[in-house]
Amino acid sequence: AQSVTQLGSHVSVSEGALVLLRCNYSSSVPPYLFWYVQYPNQGLQLLLKYTTGATLVKGINGFEAEFKKSETSFHLTKPSAHMSDAAEYFCAVRGGPNAGGTSYGKLTFGQGTILTVHP
Amino acid sequence: EPEVTQTPSHQVTQMGQEVILRCVPISNHLYFYWYRQILGQKVEFLVSFYNNEISEKSEIFDDQFSVERPDGSNFTLKIRSTKLEDSAMYFCASIRTAHLNTEAFFGQGTRLTVV
Repeated sequence: AQSVTQLGSHVSVSEGALVLLRCNYSSSVPPYLFWYVQYPNQGLQLLLKYTTGATLVKGINGFEAEFKKSETSFHLTKPSAHMSDAAEYFCAVRGGPNAGGTSYGKLTFGQGTILTVHP
Repeated sequence: EPEVTQTPSHQVTQMGQEVILRCVPISNHLYFYWYRQILGQKVEFLVSFYNNEISEKSEIFDDQFSVERPDGSNFTLKIRSTKLEDSAMYFCASIRTAHLNTEAFFGQGTRLTVV
């Protein structure tokens, strides 16, 4: 079974400041980890993902995340926040494969973090 | 860029009524999903669908829910007799293949309000 915890339902930063959104996961199998973003009135858009290989992954819009197995974490960062980054961010984990293959699209989400960027 | 589209974007219905939420997944995708998000809560998996049958469903997906792929493009979620607690944002998602690096593409959601 998998679970995801996002620390902080609301994060507020100033424009130009570092963005840090925290995500911790629990997984009984090697995790595949994702960050999605939801802008107002839009769907969930993939920011970045970790499956295997390099533990520091880069995504769109200058975001990156580091998979730390020892800490069971996958925190999302961006060096300099922009007003357009204001959105809700979701961390998600995908478990191991099942026989039918549909598990590849079955995600367990965290509760989301709303990012506010102040001028 | 191909996208998953959902209709309607908002639906208000009376308790006890049937609703059908519609999704058009990306055309070459093979695996389909419904998720929901009750206001203030997590996005939750409801059901997965492949090869014209349900692959997996959560405990939320009881007999009041059903899914169908009536033609080659649409994927629908039906709630037979809506309850107040069905009020939520419903997301459709699809993936192309069952592969390690695959990613799920989500629609913009349908906000269902049961009154």
